[in-house]
Amino acid sequence: QQQVKQSPQSLIVQKGGISIINCAYENTAFDYFPWYQQFPGKGPALLIAIRPDVSEKKEGRFTISFNKSAKQFSLHIMDSQPGDSATYFCAATLNSGAGSYQLTFGKGTKLSVIP
Amino acid sequence: GAGVSQSPRYKVAKRGQDVALRCDPISGHVSLFWYQQALGQGPEFLTYFQNEAQLDKSGLPSDRFFAERPEGSVSTLKIQRTQQEDSAVYLCASSMMLGGETQYFGPGTRLLVL
Repeated sequence: QQQVKQSPQSLIVQKGGISIINCAYENTAFDYFPWYQQFPGKGPALLIAIRPDVSEKKEGRFTISFNKSAKQFSLHIMDSQPGDSATYFCAATLNSGAGSYQLTFGKGTKLSVIP
Repeated sequence: GAGVSQSPRYKVAKRGQDVALRCDPISGHVSLFWYQQALGQGPEFLTYFQNEAQLDKSGLPSDRFFAERPEGSVSTLKIQRTQQEDSAVYLCASSMMLGGETQYFGPGTRLLVL
């Protein structure tokens, strides 16, 4: 059972455009939703995160929109640049009951920003 | 300061060999996680340590997988009698927080089992 569904699988955006990646979750116990950026050969790097009591969070060119009733959240990258070309993962976490906030990841979106 | 480091970065093993993968977390981070990332997929949780205590090992796929963190800092993930399906990138993450909500990842160890 895939608890976090991510789309699209791949995305091509012109330089200066807006990149939008969507995620949907099933478990209403999730209480923290981070986005990670991963370049080839590197580990995932935390970009931005949101809690379900907030509908939007913005950090620089990156914005998370969160819709609790629809159990959906999305990442918007404004003024996309070629350096943003990477794989993006949405994730969700909750206290597992064993004391850990293990991350549940989506399958990833490969973003290519073309000049 | 330095981030999470992992070694080796690449490991090739023959089927049936044992391997040991090392993780050096960010200094002072109490929480440490191991994840497995198959090609083209998101990372999947394997196990969690709070200091030296392994509190959650629900993601370990079989009893061939074993992890330890004896002094609450460096951790080792050991895979015994490796199989081809063990080929993946193994990621370590650490967090300063108990429970580890905000996690910082290392570069991973790419394991190829032939």
